[in-house]
Amino acid sequence: DQQVKQNSPSLSVQEGRISILNCDYTNSMFDYFLWYKKYPAEGPTFLISISSIKDKNEDGRFTVFLNKSAKHLSLHIVPSQPGDSAVYFCAASALRIQGAQKLVFGQGTRLTINP
Amino acid sequence: GAGVSQSPSNKVTEKGKDVELRCDPISGHTALYWYRQSLGQGLEFLIYFQGNSAPDKSGLPSDRFSAERTGGSVSTLTIQRTQQEDSAVYLCASSLTPNAEQYFGPGTRLTVT
Repeated sequence: DQQVKQNSPSLSVQEGRISILNCDYTNSMFDYFLWYKKYPAEGPTFLISISSIKDKNEDGRFTVFLNKSAKHLSLHIVPSQPGDSAVYFCAASALRIQGAQKLVFGQGTRLTINP
Repeated sequence: GAGVSQSPSNKVTEKGKDVELRCDPISGHTALYWYRQSLGQGLEFLIYFQGNSAPDKSGLPSDRFSAERTGGSVSTLTIQRTQQEDSAVYLCASSLTPNAEQYFGPGTRLTVT
């Protein structure tokens, strides 16, 4: 039972344009959501997060949007740069209940930024 | 400063053998997590350690899997009588506190032949 789903295994975007990565979840107990970025042969690195009490969080070129009623979140990267090419994982946790970040991850989306 | 390190980076083993995977968390981090990523899948939570508390083993897939964390620092994940479905990348992460950002190691790629 996949509680966090990233339905697009890959995405290709032209440099300078906006990249939009999507994620859906099913567990209504999730209250904290994160995006991780992963390069080959490296562990995932934290990118940005959002609490369920917010619907938007912005950090530089990265913005995460949360739609609780649709159980959907998205990551916007603008403008996209070649260095953004990586696999992006969406993750969620029921932080308030569990008291810890036992993260549930999506399958990942491979983003390729074309020059 | 040093990040999370894991060893070995790659491990090939025969079906039925036992393997031990090691994780060195960031110094001072009280929380330590193990995850695994099977081919084409997202990361799957396995086990969580916090300080001296009993570990949360709710993600371990079978009793062939066990883990310990000695002295609140280094952790080892042991898989007994390995099976081909155990082939995956095993990732360790640590965080300063249980609800803080997790820092991941590079992972150990386990291949069971």
